[in-house]
Amino acid sequence: QSALTQPASVSGSPGQSITISCTGTSSDVGSYNLVSWYQQHPGKAPKLMIYEVSKRPSGVSNRFSGSKSGNTASLTISGLQAEDEADYYCCSYAGSSSVFGGGTKLTVL
Amino acid sequence: EVQLVESGGGLVQPGGSLRLSCAASGFTVSSNYMSWVRQAPGKGLEWVSVIYSGGSTYYADSVKGRFTISRHNSKNTLYLQMNSLRAEDTAVYYCARVIANDWYFDLWGRGTLVTVSS
Repeated sequence: QSALTQPASVSGSPGQSITISCTGTSSDVGSYNLVSWYQQHPGKAPKLMIYEVSKRPSGVSNRFSGSKSGNTASLTISGLQAEDEADYYCCSYAGSSSVFGGGTKLTVL
Repeated sequence: EVQLVESGGGLVQPGGSLRLSCAASGFTVSSNYMSWVRQAPGKGLEWVSVIYSGGSTYYADSVKGRFTISRHNSKNTLYLQMNSLRAEDTAVYYCARVIANDWYFDLWGRGTLVTVSS
C-alpha cells in the first residue's frame, strides 16, 4: 500500500493550464479505471473533482479534466483561477482498499 | 440535508483507546460503503478503513489489528474504534461515503482531530 507519486508542487499564472501527474503501479492505477482526484483548501475537507479517471461530478467546472496512461493518471486544470489554489490528491482503487497520492500544492501566481 | 458529522476526537496517551463516531443524515449508512480517511498535521491523505454495505471490513496495513470499523444501523452512525494508539496515529480523521463499484469518495465530513501524546 505505497502512496501514489505526485509532484510536491506546481504553479501557473491565471489563465494558463497546468497538469498534475499521479504515478502508481500495475496493482492500482494501472489495473483499474478507478482513479479520482480531490481538491482541498486549507482547513477544509477534501472535495471530489474527478472520478473514474475522467468524469466530473455535477457542479465541478469543465476546466478540470482527467486522463490516464498505463500506471500514470493526470489532472489538468485549464484557465487557472485564483480559487484553484489548493492541494490536490489523486486516489486509486487497489483491491478492497484505496491508496492516495502524497498531494500536490497548486500555487496560482 | 445530506451530511456527515464526526465526533469523538481528542487527546489520548500512547497505548490508549478512542472511539470516533460519524453521524449521517440524508442517506442510510448501512446501504452504502463507508470509509475513514486520515490526515496527519501538514501531511497528505491516508486511507484507513472501509465497511461494505454487506458488512465486510478492510483496513490499511498501518492500522490492521488495532482499529475496528463498525456501524449502528438504527443510529445511522459509523464508528472507528482505535486501540493501542501511537504518536503516528495523530491526525484529523474524516469519514466519507464511498460510491460502490466506482470507488470514489463523494461525501466527506469535516473531520475530528485525534492527538496521541503523553
